[in-house]
Amino acid sequence: EIVLTQSPATLSLSPGERATLSCRASQSVSSYLAWYQRKPGQAPRLLIYDASNRATGVPARFSGSGSGTDFTLTISSLEPEDFAVYYCQQRSSWPLTFGGGTKVELK
Amino acid sequence: QVQLVQSGAEVKKPGASVKVSCQTSGYSFTGYYIYWVRQAPGQGLEWMGRINPNGGTDYAQNFQGRVTMTRDTSISTAYMELSRLRSDDTAVYYCARGCDCSSNYLDPWGQGTLVTVSS
Repeated sequence: EIVLTQSPATLSLSPGERATLSCRASQSVSSYLAWYQRKPGQAPRLLIYDASNRATGVPARFSGSGSGTDFTLTISSLEPEDFAVYYCQQRSSWPLTFGGGTKVELK
Repeated sequence: QVQLVQSGAEVKKPGASVKVSCQTSGYSFTGYYIYWVRQAPGQGLEWMGRINPNGGTDYAQNFQGRVTMTRDTSISTAYMELSRLRSDDTAVYYCARGCDCSSNYLDPWGQGTLVTVSS
């Protein structure tokens, strides 16, 4: 199975700052990678699919990039509601797998 | 709008079974896959399997033989039953619909169902 490793585990930032989250796959997943956001007590929400496509209703400050084994989620300027845990997920091969998550916390 | 509403929290003894429901609304139930994912305390998200629009299923190897996913199209509801429960099955279980974007991405998700396995 494909292992997704997210880094850093925790990112401490202030509102207005830029957040850069990484997801590395144990083998190539082409562009078949998604990013989800999960706030405390809520279900995950799809943000980005196929590496760089924003899901419906996702603000433009969220962007995704990468292909193969290295991917990045960038939040250009953090809003208060963006402090959450972010997960990547691959659909390149079975089973579907998720990364361990990056927590973006208030500094 | 599209909604997935899951059944309430459960407490089960080791060796028992649990059946979690996922009632959907706001879209054509038979047009989309339903996925099941769980998250144990302090752990990451783990995909368990999916049920397709025709009722066929794909299960993750870790759950083969213990999980059964079904659906009732008359009430737009999907079910996930996990048998021979162990303490490490304690987790929040989520259902999610396949997204309108590309296959095998999940959106939206249900609110989650906490299953606690304890003697």
